[in-house]
Amino acid sequence: EADIYQTPRYLVIGTGKKITLECSQTMGHDKMYWYQQDPGMELHLIHYSYGVNSTEKGDLSSESTVSRIRTEHFPLTLESARPSHTSQYLCASSEGQGAGANVLTFGAGSRLTVL
Amino acid sequence: GQSLEQPSEVTAVEGAIVQINCTYQTSGFYGLSWYQQHDGGAPTFLSYNALDGLEETGRFSSFLSRSDSYGYLLLQELQMKDSASYFCAVNTGFQKLVFGTGTRLLVSP
Repeated sequence: EADIYQTPRYLVIGTGKKITLECSQTMGHDKMYWYQQDPGMELHLIHYSYGVNSTEKGDLSSESTVSRIRTEHFPLTLESARPSHTSQYLCASSEGQGAGANVLTFGAGSRLTVL
Repeated sequence: GQSLEQPSEVTAVEGAIVQINCTYQTSGFYGLSWYQQHDGGAPTFLSYNALDGLEETGRFSSFLSRSDSYGYLLLQELQMKDSASYFCAVNTGFQKLVFGTGTRLLVSP
């Protein structure tokens, strides 16, 4: 059973709106990630965090921003949504070190549609 | 650039064995993972290889050859529920994963 939760699961909004995708995990994992995935395509890393107050941009450029004020919480924000932001956003987490560091646990995803 | 190549689709029948290949070219390499994703679902971890050789986990096995920049996922005794997309992913450092293009597996009766 997943211990990483994303809300909302589905969101349809108009252009120019500000949105925040929530992600919370109850496993005490240090590392958290945001991936973007279009239907039938590969996952692209857009943001990651190694712990509280640590955030880095991923390999795919994104206009979104993230914050990590608490270990369990890693929200993603789009200040002004555009149709090009339409995609699925997947949050994931992993342990800080050891064998578990190589196992990512994913949330169910947030499917965003911008009209 | 970074690239991980996989076949786009593989078909097989129940009970068969199927192999999904992955060739990679990345700026760093700290291990190869495999994830399964059913339509509309989240990716779930299957296996991880840091060193050359075969890792077995039940019906699934994964192989890595670092000298060839190549790995594969072997699925045995296929079941209908194995129909899904399978992604290889390279850890390029600090658990930053670069994912492959994905292989859609269709299992028929």
